[in-house]
This record gives sequence, C-alpha cells and structure tokens, in this order.
Amino acid sequence: ELKVEQNPLFLSMQEGKNYTIYCNYSTTSDRLYWYRQDPGKSLESLFVLLSNGAVKQEGRLMASLDTKARLSTLHITAAVHDLSATYFCAVDKGFGNEKLTFGTGTRLTIIP
Amino acid sequence: DAGVIQSPRHEVTEMGQEVTLRCKPISGHDYLFWYRQTMMRGLELLIYFNNNVPIDDSGMPEDRFSAKMPNASFSTLKIQPSEPRDSAVYFCASEGAQNTEAFFGQGTRLTVV
Repeated sequence: ELKVEQNPLFLSMQEGKNYTIYCNYSTTSDRLYWYRQDPGKSLESLFVLLSNGAVKQEGRLMASLDTKARLSTLHITAAVHDLSATYFCAVDKGFGNEKLTFGTGTRLTIIP
Repeated sequence: DAGVIQSPRHEVTEMGQEVTLRCKPISGHDYLFWYRQTMMRGLELLIYFNNNVPIDDSGMPEDRFSAKMPNASFSTLKIQPSEPRDSAVYFCASEGAQNTEAFFGQGTRLTVV
C-alpha cells in the first residue's frame, strides 16, 4: 500500500522567513503533485512533478522531486500572510494507475 | 470551462436517510474521482472511474456506499442508509490525459444527525 507522509503537520512562521515542507512516499513513483487548500475551500493544484530532479517555481513557492530518495520538498521563500493554508502532496503510481494518495497535509500559518 | 461542479454544496440529513451527491466533471476528462475528507482520516479516495468504468473502489467504506457514472458528464455517490459517521466533506475531481493533475470541485459538506 502506498503511504505518503508529510512533515511538519503544523508550521507557524513569521513573515519574511524561509521554510521547507517535506513529503516522503513509500513506493516507486515518478509523479508527485502539490495542492493548496484554504479553510472551507476546495483543493487547488500548485505543481505537477513528473521526473527525477524536476523543479518548479511559482512566486515564493518552489517544489522539487527526488525519486531515488522518494522525497519531494516545497520551499517557501520570504513568506507572506497570503500563503497561510494547508498544503498537501499526493502521489500516484502512474502506468495507467491514476489512484492518487494524499499526504496528511501541512497547516501553514504565517504570522505578521 | 466552469470546472468540476458538485451539488449540493451542503446537505443535512437524518440518520437512516438516503443521500445522493452529484458531480459534473470537466468536459473531456477521462478520469473521475470521489474523495472524502475528515479531520481524523484526512483525504481518502473512495472510488475512481476511467471512461465511465469503475477502476478501483477499494476505498468505499461499506456496502452502504455506491457510485455510478452513467455517462461522461455525470456521476453520483449514494449513501443508503446514512449514519452520523458519514459526516464529512465529499470531493469530486476529474483528470484529463495522464501526467496531468486532478481538478477538484467545491465539495459537498454532509452532516448526518
């Protein structure tokens, strides 16, 4: 069974600081996704990472994938309040198996 | 495209009643997923379809839950009879070609009293 673990589960950080969220998964996969969820809202796709070494950046967020280590990171640079949300990583096995398994989520709170 | 459309947005029902949740995927998407989100268990995949055919229903918790996709533009998730522990937010998502992300609907918040 595919397991996806995130840490930390909760993160409070001050505006302007940098931090990284980690996502580990238990089985071989080249496909990893990051989503954002605001309270009471739906999930919004942030990044799709499809190969070892993939790196994608959007504004203050940067995601990377190391398939050998089965690890993805979401790095936040110079955090601003608008980034407060819960961030999920998700993995599927590919090769026609589209079953997407989500991590536990990281609730990020940016403190002014 | 309006995105994935779910209805109703909120549902409050009494224990024992039948509940039907509805989903319209993004036009042209081949995959449709039903997820359940709770504080205790996080996001759980209940079932997913490919080209209207159920592929994996291993996440459906009990026989009380059933899902159908009669055509490419409509799916239902039915709970009969409903129980208080079914209270959760139910999300429908759809996905196009492989190697793309799934797009989520706004969810249905179900409360069973």
